[in-house]
Amino acid sequence: EAGVAQSPRYKIIEKRQSVAFWCNPISGHATLYWYQQILGQGPKLLIQFQNNGVVDDSQLPKDRFSAERLKGVDSTLKIQPAKLEDSAVYLCASSSQLNTEAFFGQGTRLTVV
Amino acid sequence: RKEVEQDPGPFNVPEGATVAFNCTYSNSASQSFFWYRQDCRKEPKLLMSVYSSGNEDGRFTAQLNRASQYISLLIRDSKLSDSATYLCVVNMNSGGGADGLTFGKGTHLIIQP
Repeated sequence: EAGVAQSPRYKIIEKRQSVAFWCNPISGHATLYWYQQILGQGPKLLIQFQNNGVVDDSQLPKDRFSAERLKGVDSTLKIQPAKLEDSAVYLCASSSQLNTEAFFGQGTRLTVV
Repeated sequence: RKEVEQDPGPFNVPEGATVAFNCTYSNSASQSFFWYRQDCRKEPKLLMSVYSSGNEDGRFTAQLNRASQYISLLIRDSKLSDSATYLCVVNMNSGGGADGLTFGKGTHLIIQP
């Protein structure tokens, strides 16, 4: 069974630039999560989708971050404009049902310079 | 925001020893509990789910204490390959759909030869 796919694996951008990350969850998984993991910390939930609807985006900095899952499968996370403190690994995860165990992609390591 | 608390360590343990981690959570209505393992520069991977009656998987034992709102992970006969960060994960969702899978900051374990 194919796992969660994410791209790109690495991205380096200058502050104030824009960046987008893509995630393809495990086939059939209705729940999709985006997490931000800063070095030395645990993953922090940014947004959670159930099919194409948002379940929780309370920790998403909406002035600069946006995410969508238009057809209930793939998802994109965008940052515009990026700040230095956005440097982190962005992890996508999916689960078959709401809040059961989640499976992670390899993440996108973002460096903002 | 509801929280999951872990001792960050690091725990330096000799090979073959037994080590235990605890994790506390703030939402008494939480329904699902997990331990994840994360190796350096890798994504988190599910180690085991935690059930009310406690559960065991080889050298690993997980227990849940709902009254005191903590979960524990016990590793027996530790191996060098057990060196990693162990993340406590709690489903904070009490049915309303918000506050999904919440991660602790992780406990760093170093097994020494």
